Amino acid sequence: DVKVTQSSRYLVKRTGEKVFLECVQDMDHENMFWYRQDPGLGLRLIYFSYDVKMKEKGDIPEGYSVSREKKERFSLILESASTNQTSMYLCASSRGGGGQPQHFGDGTRLSIL
Amino acid sequence: RKEVEQDPGPFNVPEGATVAFNCTYSNSASQSFFWYRQDCRKEPKLLMSVYSSGNEDGRFTAQLNRASQYISLLIRDSKLSDSATYLCVVNDYGQNFVFGPGTRLSVLP
Repeated sequence: DVKVTQSSRYLVKRTGEKVFLECVQDMDHENMFWYRQDPGLGLRLIYFSYDVKMKEKGDIPEGYSVSREKKERFSLILESASTNQTSMYLCASSRGGGGQPQHFGDGTRLSIL
Repeated sequence: RKEVEQDPGPFNVPEGATVAFNCTYSNSASQSFFWYRQDCRKEPKLLMSVYSSGNEDGRFTAQLNRASQYISLLIRDSKLSDSATYLCVVNDYGQNFVFGPGTRLSVLP
């Protein structure tokens, strides 16, 4: 079974802090993704990566950055956290090429105070 | 027009009922299709991939109609544990996954 592990289930931070969310997958997947999910808005793509050191902006990249130094790890960084970044953050991975489903981590529920 | 649309729901059905969800997508070049289930405050979990010939997994049957750009999910003999939100997901190419808004199902005793 594919295992996608997110570093924290719940996280509380303060406005202006730099926040790191970590994601690790154990299936040698080429693609990794970060989403946020808010009530009534569904899943929205923040960034994705199709290879080490490669990254592409998703639909809502503002206020976020990412890092992929190793194939198995994809980090999401909130440069200066704001209250509107309070959300559920979901990491996913998928095998390269088309036709392969995504597998999600448990999610991190982040609250910015 | 939204790229992926689903029945708005919620669907409230008694145990043992058969329920069907519909999903339409706008990009005729879409390549791959999936159904996920998501429990409250949990992550989406892959339920099944949807193939052109249709596919079945136990009580679940998925159908794809490329001409009409339409995907369906049929659940037979509903169980209480089937209560969840069902997400239709369309993969246009490579890394581009488009999620529908989801349809919530409540199976009642």
